[in-house]
Amino acid sequence: GQQLNQSPQSMFIQEGEDVSMNCTSSSIFNTWLWYKQDPGEGPVLLIALYKAGELTSNGRLTAQFGITRKDSFLNISASIPSDVGIYFCAGQMRGSTLGRLYFGRGTQLTVWP
Amino acid sequence: DSGVTQTPKHLITATGQRVTLRCSPRSGDLSVYWYQQSLDQGLQFLIQYYNGEERAKGNILERFSAQQFPDLHSELNLSSLELGDSALYFCASSVSTRTGAHYGYTFGSGTRLTVV
Repeated sequence: GQQLNQSPQSMFIQEGEDVSMNCTSSSIFNTWLWYKQDPGEGPVLLIALYKAGELTSNGRLTAQFGITRKDSFLNISASIPSDVGIYFCAGQMRGSTLGRLYFGRGTQLTVWP
Repeated sequence: DSGVTQTPKHLITATGQRVTLRCSPRSGDLSVYWYQQSLDQGLQFLIQYYNGEERAKGNILERFSAQQFPDLHSELNLSSLELGDSALYFCASSVSTRTGAHYGYTFGSGTRLTVV
């Protein structure tokens, strides 16, 4: 099945640093989404992207839909301890009408105070 | 509260047993998806239902089955449980799949299954 390659797998950073993670696929996607999962909870949608080249912000978070439509990245600026969690990218393949999203394996973010 | 309700929140059972996990989707959502998340693993897609019909299958074992009822709630049945089935099981819902744009899934808070 379709695989999304998400990197890095984990990050250990100090509070105040910026974070960048990305996701690539071998297929063209028409929607990219970024989720955050807190320990013991379900993933929560952070940002949704619908057009190639689109750049969208949500507070300190910024995500972009790649020009090739095969990649996306998420940046977190000035990280704080509550940014800790697992970040997942997800996408809907072009032409899909079934609504299924494909997920990356996640980036585990640890923020040291 | 995301609007997606999963019960029970925790479940401890013995090997060989059968359990049923329940999910009520967000109001208005017709699609329900089930995912398994093991320790240090990503989200493994199990199965999707849309308005009562099975729409897509992922890596779901033959010992597992699911259904979506007329009121749109869904149940995931896990039988002949093994130690390796211990995991978090998430249900997610989304609006109609008939439109072009995808507004994302809304996830429930999960059922933590422990098989001993």
